[in-house]
Amino acid sequence: DAMVIQNPRYQVTQFGKPVTLSCSQTLNHNVMYWYQQKSSQAPKLLFHYYDKDFNNEADTPDNFQSRRPNTSFCFLDIRSPGLGDAAMYLCATSREYRLAGRDTQYFGPGTRLTVL
Amino acid sequence: GIQVEQSPPDLILQEGANSTLRCNFSDSVNNLQWFHQNPWGQLINLFYIPSGTKQNGRLSATTVATERYSLLYISSSQTTDSGVYFCAVVGIDGGATNKLIFGTGTLLAVQP
Repeated sequence: DAMVIQNPRYQVTQFGKPVTLSCSQTLNHNVMYWYQQKSSQAPKLLFHYYDKDFNNEADTPDNFQSRRPNTSFCFLDIRSPGLGDAAMYLCATSREYRLAGRDTQYFGPGTRLTVL
Repeated sequence: GIQVEQSPPDLILQEGANSTLRCNFSDSVNNLQWFHQNPWGQLINLFYIPSGTKQNGRLSATTVATERYSLLYISSSQTTDSGVYFCAVVGIDGGATNKLIFGTGTLLAVQP
């Protein structure tokens, strides 16, 4: 089945130790998104790729970076995790957005990050 | 930017009961999706419904775009329906990036 896969599902890291989260998709979608969801809050968009074009949200901290080496994979790098970065990180895809936002977004199962 | 509010914030149901969840948004939208976030954190697509009515089994949704609200109906609720229900929209001005703005969520607990 076509799907969005995230690895690992649970990640524990130490304060200040770089960590990378992975997302892959078999939907062949052009757009990939990373959201951060803290406890009891709604997901918040960090950035997205349209093909290889990177689009950062204005309030995304510099500590968060992303890479998309090919259509199928996208990575979230947290360079120096702080305690406040503990959250669920959700990857999503959509086929297109030149239809003025009329494409469904499909979400992966998420990676729950713990910072010790 | 566009504001999205959901009500009620919390809801407790007995198994078999029906419920209606509401989503109000402050501006015109190109995209509206309903999601169920299960206890393990996964966001599951329920409906893509910028306007009109759709049904899928025990769930149905209606969006009245001109009045800026959407309703999610759950009939004959089951314990597996428990979790958080999110409404998310793409405003007219957000169409260039398909950026979803999430509502505040409704936490549903279905008791056996």
